[in-house]
Amino acid sequence: QQQVKQSPQSLIVQKGGISIINCAYENTAFDYFPWYQQFPGKGPALLIAIRPDVSEKKEGRFTISFNKSAKQFSLHIMDSQPGDSATYFCAANDGQNFVFGPGTRLSVLP
Amino acid sequence: KAGVTQTPRYLIKTRGQQVTLSCSPISGHRSVSWYQQTPGQGLQFLFEYFSETQRNKGNFPGRFSGRQFSNSRSEMNVSTLELGDSALYLCASSPIAQGTTGELFFGEGSRLTVL
Repeated sequence: QQQVKQSPQSLIVQKGGISIINCAYENTAFDYFPWYQQFPGKGPALLIAIRPDVSEKKEGRFTISFNKSAKQFSLHIMDSQPGDSATYFCAANDGQNFVFGPGTRLSVLP
Repeated sequence: KAGVTQTPRYLIKTRGQQVTLSCSPISGHRSVSWYQQTPGQGLQFLFEYFSETQRNKGNFPGRFSGRQFSNSRSEMNVSTLELGDSALYLCASSPIAQGTTGELFFGEGSRLTVL
């Protein structure tokens, strides 16, 4: 019940396209859902986060969509750029600690 | 402001040995968490220390242990190394405990290879 599922495992998008990464969870105690971005050789860094009281949050080209009833949330990257090529992790916090998804490796082709 | 510093960055050990990894959090941060990152498994939570006390522990065997010092610096130790312990070990610090959903600030990790 502590698991966060994430798909796809890898994603290739053309420059200017939309990248979509999906996550799903079971534990209804989760109440904070961040996305982390990790570049090769670096540690993950917080990209954007959402709480379940809103259905969408947008920061620049990055948008989180949240469906509480379906227990799903997704990251949309608009106008994807080669510099967005990285591994993306969704995560959830239940008031005790963070649980991370297995990650999605995004490659944006120039 | 200096980020999270992890040492060593790379190390190679043989099966049966033990290893100690170090993490210096961002100044003022009292929470230090450790994660194991492997391909396909993502980030697996090891433990969190807050004000020198282990606050939470993940599902890892007792060979994995840690501690936090009064200056918030943390160490983790893995004894009797196994091949499967090869991974990137990430340390993350936060000004508040994880349970209050604060942002995690990660170091660049210590890459352990067990031969």
